[in-house]
Amino acid sequence: DADVTQTPRNRITKTGKRIMLECSQTKGHDRMYWYRQDPGLGLRLIYYSFDVKDINKGEISDGYSVSRQAQAKFSLSLESAIPNQTALYFCATSDSGGESPLHFGNGTRLTVT
Amino acid sequence: RKEVEQDPGPFNVPEGATVAFNCTYSNSASQSFFWYRQDCRKEPKLLMSVYSSGNEDGRFTAQLNRASQYISLLIRDSKLSDSATYLCVVNQGGKLIFGQGTELSVKP
Repeated sequence: DADVTQTPRNRITKTGKRIMLECSQTKGHDRMYWYRQDPGLGLRLIYYSFDVKDINKGEISDGYSVSRQAQAKFSLSLESAIPNQTALYFCATSDSGGESPLHFGNGTRLTVT
Repeated sequence: RKEVEQDPGPFNVPEGATVAFNCTYSNSASQSFFWYRQDCRKEPKLLMSVYSSGNEDGRFTAQLNRASQYISLLIRDSKLSDSATYLCVVNQGGKLIFGQGTELSVKP
């Protein structure tokens, strides 16, 4: 079983719909992150959370919200999806040490029509 | 200016070549640095951390220059299997910021 699990793997939705992407982890890490990836732009940080009560905006948080329901769960919501939110979304975790690398889920491919 | 910038490439090299990637960062308070590898839009995977003294892992060597605010990755004796996108990552107080990635294609 994957240590970092994202659901769904693929989703097609219409403009204006609310959609939630879910991420759960079994690594016991405190820190969780949501990134989106677009061709030529690398991964851009949407939101990150250092623990259940600590949530921070990343580089591109507009149009997104998050919820850290438990240490192991971090969900990303698009309240009203728009076509330029079509992208590949990755959840990642890390331990709390400064040198700790990221561990990624398999990604969610989202298409907004 | 982006916080972390890489040469987007692509780099097309023959097998056995040596290739180097550079990555610059704008925040001098950045704490730690990594190189990741990503294949065909799969999830990125850690290639190596970058230490102040420089570090080597087989054919891969990473260097950090804090004064000039850049990190580098050197791949020696490149293999077909090294073809991928290489992403540099900079840790700014727990916020991990990616460069846009450098694509490498190794040809027979």
